[in-house]
Amino acid sequence: NAGVTQTPKFQVLKTGQSMTLQCAQDMNHEYMSWYRQDPGMGLRLIHYSVGAGITDQGEVPNGYNVSRSTTEDFPLRLLSAAPSQTSVYFCASRREPGGYTFGSGTRLTVV
Amino acid sequence: AQTVTQSQPEMSVQEAETVTLSCTYDTSESDYYLFWYKQPPSRQMILVIRQEAYKQQNATENRFSVNFQKAAKSFSLKISDSQLGDAAMYFCATVYSGGGADGLTFGKGTHLIIQP
Repeated sequence: NAGVTQTPKFQVLKTGQSMTLQCAQDMNHEYMSWYRQDPGMGLRLIHYSVGAGITDQGEVPNGYNVSRSTTEDFPLRLLSAAPSQTSVYFCASRREPGGYTFGSGTRLTVV
Repeated sequence: AQTVTQSQPEMSVQEAETVTLSCTYDTSESDYYLFWYKQPPSRQMILVIRQEAYKQQNATENRFSVNFQKAAKSFSLKISDSQLGDAAMYFCATVYSGGGADGLTFGKGTHLIIQP
């Protein structure tokens, strides 16, 4: 089925470890974005991309890197995980502003 | 920068009754979308309804409708004939609809409880 695929669904990291959250879409959407969801905070924008090779920071970018080498993929990298990065992460993509498709999320725990 | 405020952390309604969830926002943009998303315990983000800011007519989707007051920057969601399956977190969100940037701005959410 067409949509946004996030992997893994769950992950436990030790403080200081690095990892990449994967996000892939097969709808040929130009726009992709990453969010984190913390209890009582709603979703907050981490990074976004308006096309291959173009990325920019959102509201809470510190501690995260992104790249967009293809239209389909938009990975989120944690270079040195911290307990403050324990959260649920969502990836989304769209073509027009009114048509966001979200992935099912990744629950990340940093111990 | 855009901000979204949901002033009701939790709402409770009897099954089959009507409930209204409040949302106010602030933006300096003239072109934008407004959304209501539902998030059940499965954590999937489900679009409930959306409204383009330039459209004066309030959006409706079956039992869901909005009251969009552009001058007051208010975007409330009315759920009619509430059903047990409506129980979830509801998030109000907005996005600039011009080019060059992306990303939704969300409120903190309202937890909707449906009492049988």
